[in-house]
Amino acid sequence: RKEVEQDPGPFNVPEGATVAFNCTYSNSASQSFFWYRQDCRKEPKLLMSVYSSGNEDGRFTAQLNRASQYISLLIRDSKLSDSATYLCAVNGVTGNTPLVFGKGTRLSVIA
Amino acid sequence: DTEVTQTPKHLVMGMTNKKSLKCEQHMGHRAMYWYKQKAKKPPELMFVYSYEKLSINESVPSRFSPECPNSSLLNLHLHALQPEDSALYLCASSQGPYIDRGQETQYFGPGTRLLVL
Repeated sequence: RKEVEQDPGPFNVPEGATVAFNCTYSNSASQSFFWYRQDCRKEPKLLMSVYSSGNEDGRFTAQLNRASQYISLLIRDSKLSDSATYLCAVNGVTGNTPLVFGKGTRLSVIA
Repeated sequence: DTEVTQTPKHLVMGMTNKKSLKCEQHMGHRAMYWYKQKAKKPPELMFVYSYEKLSINESVPSRFSPECPNSSLLNLHLHALQPEDSALYLCASSQGPYIDRGQETQYFGPGTRLLVL
């Protein structure tokens, strides 16, 4: 099983739709979880950190399920500007591992 | 302010050239990272510096040589690269080393797009 796995998509959704991405991780000792957004030919930008069960920031909600070892990102009321690749990243404290990135999920929001 | 700067933005070099990529942050972060990213792939970790000391080298070929002159600067020296080394090179920093929970959130610079001919 790969360390961090994501559905690569692409997800093509209409404006206003709700879309959810999942990311599974293999290291049960992982403590910190992140969602990054990356636009084409740009650097990853931190979208949300997920340290406990989850958190919400406007239209974005991130959740963590430790029992099933996955994190999710929910985007409500999608905007055209949400079109990007969404990368999940997991940090494993045990073993002193830095961030491990998933391959990213491509989202296209269509007018 | 979560700003990491990188220069140059673009670089074209021949296989016999020597060049350097530079990264700077003034957030007081004590960990800095170099990543390589190919198109449609996630960032791939190359090196980690923690408190100005190299703590991780992910089996990167010796034609890539990192340097951390001080806590704000990180360089990547390039020599005798191959065309397959063409990629986006990203620098990142975090408040503390990756083992310090709550301090390991990484912030990325805009990257240097490298083309090796």
